[in-house]
Amino acid sequence: GEDVEQSLFLSVREGDSSVINCTYTDSSSTYLYWYKQEPGAGLQLLTYIFSNMDMKQDQRLTVLLNKKDKHLSLRIADTQTGDSAIYFCFTGGGNKLTFGTGTQLKVEL
Amino acid sequence: NAGVTQTPKFRVLKTGQSMTLLCAQDMNHEYMYWYRQDPGMGLRLIHYSVGEGTTAKGEVPDGYNVSRLKKQNFLLGLESAAPSQTSVYFCASSYFTSGELFFGEGSRLTVL
Repeated sequence: GEDVEQSLFLSVREGDSSVINCTYTDSSSTYLYWYKQEPGAGLQLLTYIFSNMDMKQDQRLTVLLNKKDKHLSLRIADTQTGDSAIYFCFTGGGNKLTFGTGTQLKVEL
Repeated sequence: NAGVTQTPKFRVLKTGQSMTLLCAQDMNHEYMYWYRQDPGMGLRLIHYSVGEGTTAKGEVPDGYNVSRLKKQNFLLGLESAAPSQTSVYFCASSYFTSGELFFGEGSRLTVL
């Protein structure tokens, strides 16, 4: 199967929380990243977590890492229309530099 | 500070034509990468470079060649374009191998 897996789509209502999930196979990564891609643009770093951490909070963003299950999640609190984008999980490290398939988040009014 | 710049941003080719995409970064990064993005498949690594004068194959290298003659530039070449190479191409760079990637805005290539 894929090295990094994500659901392709997620739809939420404005003001709700969004949770985007990622499972991966390569456990050698020192850092795990979340990138955001807005329409017609390149990817920009949203947040990251060190592999020796379980959780990181950054304003509306919460990253959870379950190393045993090789599962990474991104929670966006109080989701806004400006959060509509594609979100990519990225397992940095090694030479594969693998991205997930990306999850398209649609925020509805 | 321009970051990562890709040229051209759009290009239409006929099958069999050749072209080169140029990526330039002004952050003195050692590592540079070329990815392609296709619907439902995320980003797939084509080739990468760990320093001036070096290149290595990624996941999907066939049909592409690269060169890194100068540290700030990473060129992606298509010698004989095929419709399967229709995609959006992204260049990225990083300071170290597991560090943050900085992306260009992308180059949309259509092969007819």
